[in-house]
Amino acid sequence: NAGVTQTPKFQVLKTGQSMTLQCAQDMNHEYMSWYRQDPGMGLRLIHYSVGAGITDQGEVPNGYNVSRSTTEDFPLRLLSAAPSQTSVYFCASSYSGSSAGANVLTFGAGSRLTVL
Amino acid sequence: AQSVAQPEDQVNVAEGNPLTVKCTYSVSGNPYLFWYVQYPNRGLQFLLKYITGDNLVKGSYGFEAEFNKSQTSFHLKKPSALVSDSALYFCAVREQYSSASKIIFGSGTRLSIRP
Repeated sequence: NAGVTQTPKFQVLKTGQSMTLQCAQDMNHEYMSWYRQDPGMGLRLIHYSVGAGITDQGEVPNGYNVSRSTTEDFPLRLLSAAPSQTSVYFCASSYSGSSAGANVLTFGAGSRLTVL
Repeated sequence: AQSVAQPEDQVNVAEGNPLTVKCTYSVSGNPYLFWYVQYPNRGLQFLLKYITGDNLVKGSYGFEAEFNKSQTSFHLKKPSALVSDSALYFCAVREQYSSASKIIFGSGTRLSIRP
């Protein structure tokens, strides 16, 4: 199993450009989320999803859109990139239940985005 | 809304000494609490969690954490630090009746173990 796969690993954008960060998981997890990591700020939740067709806003949703058309995929869209969106982005997935692995986030390797 | 605080940006410990990384939280109702670790140039890995049951939780790599409801804390501990424990540690919280996707992280604590 590949786990959580994020693409691209690195991306440089100019201010105002748009792009999509891809996230796919092959573990049949119902829950998926996007975080951004900035120095001194920790991980901040951007958007999350509890299943196909259902998404909600996290702590810092402005400037980002998401959709969840399938259980496997959860893309993050930047509509008009700004330098403040320069960050490392992590996608994560999890499942609920009472097993030892339940409620534990499995993270992708991250996508480093630079906006000039 | 849930929140989590890690009051120390950095913790420095000599190898072989015990270590503690502090975490306090704020939630409505009962918390689900987690610790994750990020090694340099690597992804985020799960260390341990508290959902219910014993207040002392044991996890990976010899780490443990103690849930203290009255102090709303979930400090990470290890009896004897190793140089290889040097990494960035994150505490995270979820409210019991909120979405399982809605997990909020602290700002992180950089742990440095000197030989």
